[in-house]
Amino acid sequence: AQSVTQLDSQVPVFEEAPVELRCNYSSSVSVYLFWYVQYPNQGLQLLLKYLSGSTLVKGINGFEAEFNKSQTSFHLRKPSVHISDTAEYFCAVSEGNQGGKLIFGQGTELSVKP
Amino acid sequence: DVKVTQSSRYLVKRTGEKVFLECVQDMDHENMFWYRQDPGLGLRLIYFSYDVKMKEKGDIPEGYSVSREKKERFSLILESASTNQTSMYLCASSGQGLWGKNIQYFGAGTRLSVL
Repeated sequence: AQSVTQLDSQVPVFEEAPVELRCNYSSSVSVYLFWYVQYPNQGLQLLLKYLSGSTLVKGINGFEAEFNKSQTSFHLRKPSVHISDTAEYFCAVSEGNQGGKLIFGQGTELSVKP
Repeated sequence: DVKVTQSSRYLVKRTGEKVFLECVQDMDHENMFWYRQDPGLGLRLIYFSYDVKMKEKGDIPEGYSVSREKKERFSLILESASTNQTSMYLCASSGQGLWGKNIQYFGAGTRLSVL
């Protein structure tokens, strides 16, 4: 069965610093990978996705992630964060043959301080 | 833009009440999903539906049922609410094809408190 582990529940960082949010998954088949962001009191919004092609994917708001099949990871990165990036971030995986069912990680709270 | 609308942002109900959470999407999506979100647990799938009148159990269906009489509407029903169902409930929808079915669009959520 597939599962997703986000290795950090909380990540505090200062404004303009780089950040990496870590995500590892387990699956026996090819997967599709996603990062969603949830701003306070809102639903989830797609940040970026890996379905095929280049393993380095770029998303909205300057975020990017790299799919590493050998390490079964999909870490999210941003070179310089803003206060407005404060939110909860969720990594998710789909095996594609499940009709688009997603399995989510536990979430990482990113807190950007001035 | 895809819009997924959940009828209530906040609900307070009493133990034993029957609770209906409504979700409507405006993009003619085939697939609809109900999740609950709890701190430290992420999102867990309760039920999903691939078509009208079709439903499939997710990972935590106990205590819940769903209804999909029209393509755009997917309702989550708590037959007899209990305090352990106090949570944030999120509805999502997705379309067809490799790209469409794998990208879910979420509503703003309903925060349910059962007293």
